[in-house]
Amino acid sequence: DAGVIQSPRHEVTEMGQEVTLRCKPISGHNSLFWYRQTMMRGLELLIYFNNNVPIDDSGMPEDRFSAKMPNASFSTLKIQPSEPRDSAVYFCASSFRQEQETQYFGPGTRLLVL
Amino acid sequence: KNQVEQSPQSLIILEGKNCTLQCNYTVSPFSNLRWYKQDTGRGPVSLTIMTFSENTKSNGRYTATLDADTKQSSLHITASQLSDSASYICVVSAGSQGNLIFGKGTKLSVKP
Repeated sequence: DAGVIQSPRHEVTEMGQEVTLRCKPISGHNSLFWYRQTMMRGLELLIYFNNNVPIDDSGMPEDRFSAKMPNASFSTLKIQPSEPRDSAVYFCASSFRQEQETQYFGPGTRLLVL
Repeated sequence: KNQVEQSPQSLIILEGKNCTLQCNYTVSPFSNLRWYKQDTGRGPVSLTIMTFSENTKSNGRYTATLDADTKQSSLHITASQLSDSASYICVVSAGSQGNLIFGKGTKLSVKP
């Protein structure tokens, strides 16, 4: 298995532009998570899905952020409009639903908003 | 407030030496505690997951301990190697997959 796949790996954009991050979870996993990591705040959970349904989006910073999971093999995280403070590494992770299961992280998307 | 505190913030050791990283938490309800290793520029990789009833769990040269009474965990690395240089993140689950409380991590540097 190729593991969790994220694209793009790096994104540089200007303030106000729309940014779309993509994730393909490990086949057979039915939970998907979006995280953001910064030096100041460490890793933060933004939202997670079970069986393509958003379960908890309380970590989403504000209305500028939205996430979708149209099917079991694809998810997007969109920021519109982007701001410099959104600059961070965004990770996608997947797991089986069971509580004790390991989450497998993708390589991350490094976002820089100028 | 649910919190996970890790110490030290950073650590430098010589190759071949042992080291211990600490994690203290105030999380309720407690479900499990995880240690992740994160290499620079990569996503975190799971090392161990421990539930309330487990005191110790090993993964090769990594041994994690858990004291649920004092709400402390440690990660012991034996005979360190240069490839152990990474950030080690302690994560506590508060009852569900989505309710994970992350520590800020300990940055370990192993020098030759």
